[in-house]
Amino acid sequence: AQRVTQPEKLLSVFKGAPVELKCNYSYSGSPELFWYVQYSRQRLQLLLRHISRESIKGFTADLNKGETSFHLKKPFAQEEDSAMYYCALSGRYDYKLSFGAGTTVTVRA
Amino acid sequence: GAGVSQTPSNKVTEKGKYVELRCDPISGHTALYWYRQSLGQGPEFLIYFQGTGAADDSGLPNDRFFAVRPEGSVSTLKIQRTERGDSAVYLCASSLDAGPNTGELFFGEGSRLTVL
Repeated sequence: AQRVTQPEKLLSVFKGAPVELKCNYSYSGSPELFWYVQYSRQRLQLLLRHISRESIKGFTADLNKGETSFHLKKPFAQEEDSAMYYCALSGRYDYKLSFGAGTTVTVRA
Repeated sequence: GAGVSQTPSNKVTEKGKYVELRCDPISGHTALYWYRQSLGQGPEFLIYFQGTGAADDSGLPNDRFFAVRPEGSVSTLKIQRTERGDSAVYLCASSLDAGPNTGELFFGEGSRLTVL
């Protein structure tokens, strides 16, 4: 069975401070990991995927297979980063996503 | 617009009633997904279509739930004899090709179903 755990429901940081959203997973095969984001009054959208190895809006995420983690990080949070963030997992040859429960990030001025 | 469109955006119904939720995917997207999001939870997979056929309906919770995509474009999620536990936001997504690994999933704004 595949499962995604986001231990933090809420995360509050000051503008300019680093932010890290934790994501742990369990999966028996080769997982593909994603971060999705939902800004206020907007639809759910892809933020980044680990296979792209790219930085989006200053966010990066590293897949650590030893610790089965895919934490999302940004060195300097901005107010526009306030949103709900979901970590998600899929099998390499799969087509459905398993989502974590989400973390609400609030960036305060 | 060019995004995934879902109707209705809000639906309030009484326990035991029948409900239909509609999804209009992005033109040309062959893959279509339905997810359900309960309060405080992440989206949960329900069903996946590739073209007209349901390639995987393993996420449908029971036989009261059914979905169709007769012409390979618009899809309808049908819920019979609704129960209060069916209250949730139902999300539709589409992608150009099969699976989140081969193409980005584009989500609609969701249909919020409330069963009284």
